[in-house]
Amino acid sequence: DTAVSQTPKYLVTQMGNDKSIKCEQNLGHDTMYWYKQDSKKFLKIMFSYNNKELIINETVPNRFSPKSPDKAHLNLHINSLELGDSAVYFCASSQLAGRGEQYFGPGTRLTVT
Amino acid sequence: SQQGEEDPQALSIQEGENATMNCSYKTSINNLQWYRQNSGRGLVHLILIRSNEREKHSGRLRVTLDTSKKSSSLLITASRAADTASYFCATDERNQGGKLIFGQGTELSVKP
Repeated sequence: DTAVSQTPKYLVTQMGNDKSIKCEQNLGHDTMYWYKQDSKKFLKIMFSYNNKELIINETVPNRFSPKSPDKAHLNLHINSLELGDSAVYFCASSQLAGRGEQYFGPGTRLTVT
Repeated sequence: SQQGEEDPQALSIQEGENATMNCSYKTSINNLQWYRQNSGRGLVHLILIRSNEREKHSGRLRVTLDTSKKSSSLLITASRAADTASYFCATDERNQGGKLIFGQGTELSVKP
């Protein structure tokens, strides 16, 4: 059974488009995260939600908007895509914020042309 | 802010040898974690060491933590070709809501 799943796995789109990435976890965790990994493999947190409430919002352009319809789902919507948005986006979850390991999804490779 | 700095950035060894990776950080932490990432995959949690612990073992993994020097090391003993991956340290900073700050990673290549 997949613990943290993301769709799509690959996303190729043109500049200026709007796209969404979906994430679901079936671990019963309260906290979910979005990370961005650049071409040099540097991984940086973007957002964190705890039980549907935003608790971490790093310096991310307003074009990125997370949405958590329930605590098992955390989606990422990106408006007006730019070339610099090309990266791998990872969703993760943990039982509680700040309480141990995080479980990562397989990633979504976004390519903006 | 980028917290963890890892060295070496790349490490190439023969199967059966030990691999040691180091991580340094800058602020107070709740815990430090190590993750592995195989090419094209997500991160897999390996081991967590709390700020009041100095050493921890899990199978062929040994992690040390020196909070006075703000550094940690990951030792993989008797390495296997399947250990080839990128290894990241991540710090859980105090009062930051569980935000993990990742190092830039060490690329380990184990040759059969």
